[in-house]
Amino acid sequence: EAQVTQNPRYLITVTGKKLTVTCSQNMNHEYMSWYRQDPGLGLRQIYYSMNVEVTDKGDVPEGYKVSRKEKRNFPLILESPSPNQTSLYFCASSRIGNEQFFGPGTRLTVL
Amino acid sequence: DAKTTQPPSMDCAEGRAANLPCNHSTISGNEYVYWYRQIHSQGPQYIIHGLKNNETNEMASLIITEDRKSSTLILPHATLRDTAVYYCIVRTTSNSGYALNFGKGTSLLVTP
Repeated sequence: EAQVTQNPRYLITVTGKKLTVTCSQNMNHEYMSWYRQDPGLGLRQIYYSMNVEVTDKGDVPEGYKVSRKEKRNFPLILESPSPNQTSLYFCASSRIGNEQFFGPGTRLTVL
Repeated sequence: DAKTTQPPSMDCAEGRAANLPCNHSTISGNEYVYWYRQIHSQGPQYIIHGLKNNETNEMASLIITEDRKSSTLILPHATLRDTAVYYCIVRTTSNSGYALNFGKGTSLLVTP
């Protein structure tokens, strides 16, 4: 089944404790992206990647890192999480310029 | 990408057609109209997209006016599972990070 998977689905952590949210897709898509969704602000793009080893900042990249060492994986790294990064996170993938497929989401709480 | 305007909420009776409007009066010639929906904090789901011709797939139909300034998403026989927030997005397929500007969308409630 074609899908985008994210892990973990739920995470509660404390300020400053490094964490990684994984994202994997099995559709051989070139493009992958991370969004965060907050009440009243909609979905905002954090980082995106057009292909392996090619990443770029979205609208709200501060406090986040990403890597794209393999085509199927696009992990989101929070080196030192802070409470304002409490949010619902979505990973998405697509062929370049086509409709995006979204993962199920990761609900992160930073205390 | 052009901005869109959608009603904040709509109701529809189960089994009836749900017609969701979207205004995109500043759309430019190379911008497509995309529709996604999000069911209660799940990942957004692609529904349909079009440039200027009407489109239909297994989920919905998309009607775009001749001047392309507005469009309507039609769910022909709405079910309770169609209750969701529906987002109308206009975007190019050129290289601009391909970010989708979801806006606030229309919250559709399908009632028994």
